[in-house]
Amino acid sequence: AQSVTQLGSHVSVSEGALVLLRCNYSSSVPPYLFWYVQYPNQGLQLLLKYTSAATLVKGINGFEAEFKKSETSFHLTKPSAHMSDAAEYFCAVRNQAGTALIFGKGTTLSVSS
Amino acid sequence: DVKVTQSSRYLVKRTGEKVFLECVQDMDHENMFWYRQDPGLGLRLIYFSYDVKMKEKGDIPEGYSVSREKKERFSLILESASTNQTSMYLCASRTGTRNYEQYFGPGTRLTVT
Repeated sequence: AQSVTQLGSHVSVSEGALVLLRCNYSSSVPPYLFWYVQYPNQGLQLLLKYTSAATLVKGINGFEAEFKKSETSFHLTKPSAHMSDAAEYFCAVRNQAGTALIFGKGTTLSVSS
Repeated sequence: DVKVTQSSRYLVKRTGEKVFLECVQDMDHENMFWYRQDPGLGLRLIYFSYDVKMKEKGDIPEGYSVSREKKERFSLILESASTNQTSMYLCASRTGTRNYEQYFGPGTRLTVT
C-alpha cells in the first residue's frame, strides 16, 4: 500500500540557514512524488514533482528535492531560508490505482530572523 | 493558469443543517477531488470524480455525498452537519492523463456550531 511519512511536524530554522524537510514513502508501483506548500489561509501550491525522470528535481522559490530509491526518500531542501518560506509543507505520492494522491501529515516550517 | 474556485472562504452552519460546498475549475479537467484538512492529520480524501456523474469514495466518505452534473463543477454535500465536520475543506482538480498533479482551490473553512 502507498503511504507517506513526514518526519517532524514542526521545523524551525534561522533566516539564511539550510532548510531540510524529510519525506519517506512506501509504494508498490513506480512512485510519482510531489511537494506542496500551503501559506496561511490558502490552498496548496505545487513546489515540485518527481515523475521518473531526473532524480534531482528543482522547483519554485529555490527549493529542490532528491529522489533516492534505495532510501525510499524524497527530502525537500533549500540552501538559504527566507522569512517568506514560513508555511506548511506536504509531501504526496500517487496511489496504486493512479486515481488520487496520498498526502503526509505535513511539516510546519518556521523561519526566525 | 489553472483556476479552481470555491464558493465560500468561511462558512458557519448549525448542527443538523444541510450544507453545500461548491467547487468550479476552468481548465476542462476530468478529475476533481474533495479533501478535508485537520491539524496533525494532513489532507484526507473524501470523494473524487473522474467524469460527469461518476464518483468514487475516498478514505473518509461517511457523512458526505457529492454531485457532479457538469464537468467544471463538483459539489460536496453534508446531509446533516455535525460538529465533528468542522474543518477546512479543499477542492482540487487534474487532467485525466498520467500527470497526477493536482491543482487546489483556496479552501473553505467550515464551522458547525
